[in-house]
Amino acid sequence: DTAVSQTPKYLVTQMGNDKSIKCEQNLGHDTMYWYKQDSKKFLKIMFSYNNKELIINETVPNRFSPKSPDKAHLNLHINSLELGDSAVYFCASSSQVTSMNTEAFFGQGTRLTVV
Amino acid sequence: AQTVTQSQPEMSVQEAETVTLSCTYDTSENNYYLFWYKQPPSRQMILVIRQEAYKQQNATENRFSVNFQKAAKSFSLKISDSQLGDTAMYFCAFMKGSGNTGKLIFGQGTTLQVKP
Repeated sequence: DTAVSQTPKYLVTQMGNDKSIKCEQNLGHDTMYWYKQDSKKFLKIMFSYNNKELIINETVPNRFSPKSPDKAHLNLHINSLELGDSAVYFCASSSQVTSMNTEAFFGQGTRLTVV
Repeated sequence: AQTVTQSQPEMSVQEAETVTLSCTYDTSENNYYLFWYKQPPSRQMILVIRQEAYKQQNATENRFSVNFQKAAKSFSLKISDSQLGDTAMYFCAFMKGSGNTGKLIFGQGTTLQVKP
């Protein structure tokens, strides 16, 4: 069983388009994240949701809009795609309920290529 | 603000030998967690090992162990009996313990090549 799954794995699209990446976790975690890995492999957090509530919103263009319909899902919608948005986007989840917070479990990543 | 630094962009090791990957971090927090994640060519991020800052004992997971030096803010990963499957990019990561949002701060990564 896949713990954190995101779709699609690969996405090639033209500049100016709008696209979405979906993420689902079946671990019962209360917190979900989106991370971006750039061309130099550097990983940086973009957003975090805890029980459907936005708790982290790093300096990300407002063309990026996360949506959490329930605590098992966190989707990422990107409007007006630009060349610089090309990257690998990782969804992750963890449990922040107890003092013994769990580590983050990651999805397989979505490689977004904007042409 | 917390920072994580991995000063070795690339390393290589012969199969069956031991290699140590370096990581230093900067924080004013006293309660935090440190992690090593592995990213093989498949791109999947896999947790290798975790260390709680309040624990003095170094974490170990089979062939993987850490040398956690809290005063020096150093958290190195030792891989013993290296295997070809250990070839991957390794990321050191920091997470605050108090007021925790679960946010991970990553280092730049170290690419490890295990040679037959």
